[in-house]
Amino acid sequence: GQQLNQSPQSMFIQEGEDVSMNCTSSSIFNTWLWYKQEPGEGPVLLIALYKAGELTSNGRLTAQFGITRKDSFLNISASIPSDVGIYFCAGFYSGAGSYQLTFGKGTKLSVIP
Amino acid sequence: DAGVIQSPRHEVTEMGQEVTLRCKPISGHDYLFWYRQTMMRGLELLIYFNNNVPIDDSGMPEDRFSAKMPNASFSTLKIQPSEPRDSAVYFCASSSRSSGTTYNEQFFGPGTRLTVL
Repeated sequence: GQQLNQSPQSMFIQEGEDVSMNCTSSSIFNTWLWYKQEPGEGPVLLIALYKAGELTSNGRLTAQFGITRKDSFLNISASIPSDVGIYFCAGFYSGAGSYQLTFGKGTKLSVIP
Repeated sequence: DAGVIQSPRHEVTEMGQEVTLRCKPISGHDYLFWYRQTMMRGLELLIYFNNNVPIDDSGMPEDRFSAKMPNASFSTLKIQPSEPRDSAVYFCASSSRSSGTTYNEQFFGPGTRLTVL
């Protein structure tokens, strides 16, 4: 099956620093997604990317859909304590009767005040 | 809207017992997904339904797992008999109809944390 390699696995950063994480895949996706999960909750969608090369922002978050359709990155600028959580990338593919949403293993972000 | 509702939030059981997890999707959504999350394997799709019909159950680990969706507002995931390696957080998610290859956002419930002793 499809696999996503997400890195880094975890990050400890100072409040105010910028953060970058990325995902690569051996397969092409129609859509790249970035989710955030907080303790005791389910993942919540942050950003969806629909076209190769697309760069999308959501507040302090910026994500890009790689040109090859096999990678994506997420940047968080000027981190704050509430950014703490696990960030997941996910690749979506739909076609020929198939519907697949594959998640990366996650990047655990800790922000030191 | 109450969002996706799952029950129970926590379940502790002994090996060999039957476990039933419940999910109420968001009203009007016609896709329902069951996921399992573990430290080792991350989030894995177990099965999904469209209009109450199971479409892909290739992620179901083995015959001990079964899922049903008797109507548009209720689904169950059953494990019988349960084993310690089934310990995980199980998420239910729902979404509205996808158009072509466009992704329609999946909304996740809060999950059920299952511990099998």
